[in-house]
Amino acid sequence: QQQVKQSPQSLIVQKGGISIINCAYENTAFDYFPWYQQFPGKGPALLIAIRPDVSEKKEGRFTISFNKSAKQFSLHIMDSQPGDSATYFCAPTQGGSEKLVFGKGTKLTVNP
Amino acid sequence: EPEVTQTPSHQVTQMGQEVILRCVPISNHLYFYWYRQILGQKVEFLVSFYNNEISEKSEIFDDQFSVERPDGSNFTLKIRSTKLEDSAMYFCASSGGPSNTGELFFGEGSRLTVL
Repeated sequence: QQQVKQSPQSLIVQKGGISIINCAYENTAFDYFPWYQQFPGKGPALLIAIRPDVSEKKEGRFTISFNKSAKQFSLHIMDSQPGDSATYFCAPTQGGSEKLVFGKGTKLTVNP
Repeated sequence: EPEVTQTPSHQVTQMGQEVILRCVPISNHLYFYWYRQILGQKVEFLVSFYNNEISEKSEIFDDQFSVERPDGSNFTLKIRSTKLEDSAMYFCASSGGPSNTGELFFGEGSRLTVL
């Protein structure tokens, strides 16, 4: 059973553009919705996360939008920069468990 | 800034051999994890460890695998009798410091190649 579906698999954006990555999940018990960023040769690092009591969270150029009824959450990167080029993973979890359920990842390339 | 460190960065081994991957979690963290990422695939949870015992494990984490916190700083993953399909990047992570936001802090990974 594929619990988490992430799309697109890859994304190419021009510098200054908006990058949007989506994550759909099946497990309604998930209550913590993070996005992790991974650069080549590095481990994943938490970028931004949201809990289901809010529908949107913004930190600088990064925004999470959460739609509980649709069981989806998305990452928006405004004014995308070449330094944002990385692989992004959604990795929801439930009930205080740190067993993150990773999506397959989205490779973002931001062209200068 | 505190970080999770892993050794070795890359290990090549023959099928059937035992491998130990080592991790030094962030010093005031209480929860420790191993995840793995087979090349080109998603990151998968293997095991979580708290208070000197396994708190949760996945179906992947069978009798071939074991974890140990032999002292106050190291956290190890042992793979007995490695198989070709164990070739992957293994990530150690820790969480549960004083602020305990739920964030996992990952190391840079240990790449295991089984020949």
